[in-house]
Amino acid sequence: QVQLQESGPGLVKPSGTLSLTCAVSGGSVSSTQWLSWVRQPPGKGLEWIGEIYHSGSTNYNPSLKSRVTMSIDKSRSHFSLKVISVTAADTAIYYCARVYCSSANCYLEAFDAWGQGTMVTVSS
Amino acid sequence: QSALTQPASVSGSPGQSITISCTETNSDVGNYNVVSWYQQHPDKAPQLIIFAVDKRPSGVSSRFSGSKSGNTASLTISGLQAEDEADYYCSSYASGHVVFGGGTKLTVL
Repeated sequence: QVQLQESGPGLVKPSGTLSLTCAVSGGSVSSTQWLSWVRQPPGKGLEWIGEIYHSGSTNYNPSLKSRVTMSIDKSRSHFSLKVISVTAADTAIYYCARVYCSSANCYLEAFDAWGQGTMVTVSS
Repeated sequence: QSALTQPASVSGSPGQSITISCTETNSDVGNYNVVSWYQQHPDKAPQLIIFAVDKRPSGVSSRFSGSKSGNTASLTISGLQAEDEADYYCSSYASGHVVFGGGTKLTVL
């Protein structure tokens, strides 16, 4: 049973860079074909940030694309998220989530495993 | 970019059935059977309850069912239970990105 765990600073200064990692346990990074990052501002809904394939190819939310970078470190079994030039609007709980893949297909909008989430506050 | 519209809230009494709608405003995605649904309890991560419109992951109660007609997907919960009180989100995938609906708060009266 794969488990995901987000980690990173809980407080980031405005105009700074938000950096988070998602550690994969109970399975290899390579067995996680697609991984997405999703965020949720306090009291609000879910927002998809982007996804990364185990080969390293990425797709990003068009509204965040200019500020987001995702990467994978197979040797350390973790995925990374960076968001630059953050503002208060980036304050949210950040989740990493695994895309559900059957033996035949991957369902890119279906996330069957989630981390517990990590709260990031952007404030001076 | 497509958007998914859900009602802000729905309610029902224990034992009843309720339906939550999820309408895609971009007609280009109406032909894709790529809708999923999530349940989220307060202070918890979302949980996948329906994928590919009407498929249930292993371990999800059969009281949850999904369907789609044209640009509107629906989640039906039958035999409402107190534990079903939560927020529900739909999601879809098109043009290389995922979109979530705004979420629906289900209140069990």
